[in-house]
Amino acid sequence: QVQLVASGGGVVQPGRSLRLSCAASGFSFSSYPMHWVRQAPGKGLDWVAVISYDGSNQYYTDSVKGRFTISRDNSRNTLYLQMNRLRVEDTAVYYCATSPTATTDYWGQGTLVTVSS
Amino acid sequence: DIQMTQSPSSLSASVGDRVTITCRASQGIRNDLGWYQQKPGKAPKRLIYAASYLHTGVPSRFSGTGSGTEFTLTISSLQPEDFATYYCLQHNSYPWTFGQGTKVEIK
Repeated sequence: QVQLVASGGGVVQPGRSLRLSCAASGFSFSSYPMHWVRQAPGKGLDWVAVISYDGSNQYYTDSVKGRFTISRDNSRNTLYLQMNRLRVEDTAVYYCATSPTATTDYWGQGTLVTVSS
Repeated sequence: DIQMTQSPSSLSASVGDRVTITCRASQGIRNDLGWYQQKPGKAPKRLIYAASYLHTGVPSRFSGTGSGTEFTLTISSLQPEDFATYYCLQHNSYPWTFGQGTKVEIK
């Protein structure tokens, strides 16, 4: 079955960096775009970034442009989110997600990032 | 960027009630819209894709309508397991954007 397992979250000080990973299995990872979506505590869902199936294209929400970088390693079936210059407002649960076809939609369990001094 | 305005932000309803949630897009998005259900501590689950198509395994009491800028999610007869928060998501153009969410609570 399809699994998306996010990891790498933790507590970090403002201005520091963190890299999230999302290990995928059960589907053809290298064939589909992958997304990161976040949710601040008690708040709504916030789409963060997407990367094309081959890594050649990326798009970001305005608030993370220039600070976050989405990447993937198709040989390892793994998605990444490099987060630099972290801010308190980046505190959230980060989900990796994909919709390989119109009728399929998969989300990981999320990993919590807390930015605090 | 496309803004998604979702209403209401919360509602109280009883089991068996008909519930309607609306999303309005700031510009036309064809039918590039999905509806998601989220329960506390869990990842979202998609209910509807392409505005009106029921996702696999989703009960038929859920339905979606709309195209362009106005979209609606309807639960025809609210069940105990439907108490959750619901979000719309436009995927017409990047950045994708979610509505603010609608929390459906027990009356």
